[in-house]
Amino acid sequence: SSELTQDPAVSVALGQTVRISCQGDSLRSYTASWYRQRPGQAPILVIYRRDSRPSGIPDRFSGTSSGTTASLTITGAQAEDEGDYFCSSRDSTNTVLFGGGTKLTVL
Amino acid sequence: QVHLVQSGPEVKKPGASVKVSCKVSGYTLTDLSIHWVRQAPGKGLEWMAAFDPEDDKTIYAQDFQGRVTTTEDTSTDTAYMELSSLRSEDTAIYYCSTFGGGSSGYFYHYMDVWGIGTTVIVSS
Repeated sequence: SSELTQDPAVSVALGQTVRISCQGDSLRSYTASWYRQRPGQAPILVIYRRDSRPSGIPDRFSGTSSGTTASLTITGAQAEDEGDYFCSSRDSTNTVLFGGGTKLTVL
Repeated sequence: QVHLVQSGPEVKKPGASVKVSCKVSGYTLTDLSIHWVRQAPGKGLEWMAAFDPEDDKTIYAQDFQGRVTTTEDTSTDTAYMELSSLRSEDTAIYYCSTFGGGSSGYFYHYMDVWGIGTTVIVSS
């Protein structure tokens, strides 16, 4: 199916490592991208093509993928990492898919 | 560096149409693939459409087929998204976005440059 599924919410203690997952059949064939969105702001790209970081994104952000699951890992989470994280991919019809989003809370 | 400037907020009645603009600066519109993404209040991101330069055609999400039209004015480097037959569920922030770091003519499915969004409210 052309859907991406994410856990609704995840929390992490300050400075600890957190993994946010995204599951979907399209991820078996196409790479995932990840966006962070803070309240009232437009999304920003934090990972693209599975594990590439745009300039300005800290190296504590990393992406991996296996089978139908893609993951975003934040190693040493900071308070400013709080927000909603959306995974994205494409499908065989060139349509862009978004996951439902995961709300990350840094405790 | 690509910058996207969107038009201002809109209030429309059910059944009407809305046209949102997205002006590109720092780049030429024809070198980019503009995506349109919306977000209803308290909801996630919903991809609507994008121009695929590799096949020279616009790709539309199935949920919006027949109701959304995207156009481009290359003389002003401005992209437009028109959504017709509006209903209350179309109340959302509409974003244009693109990948500014790519090569001209390629269809990138991820976006690192976003406009600030255009709020569209549909209410009778």
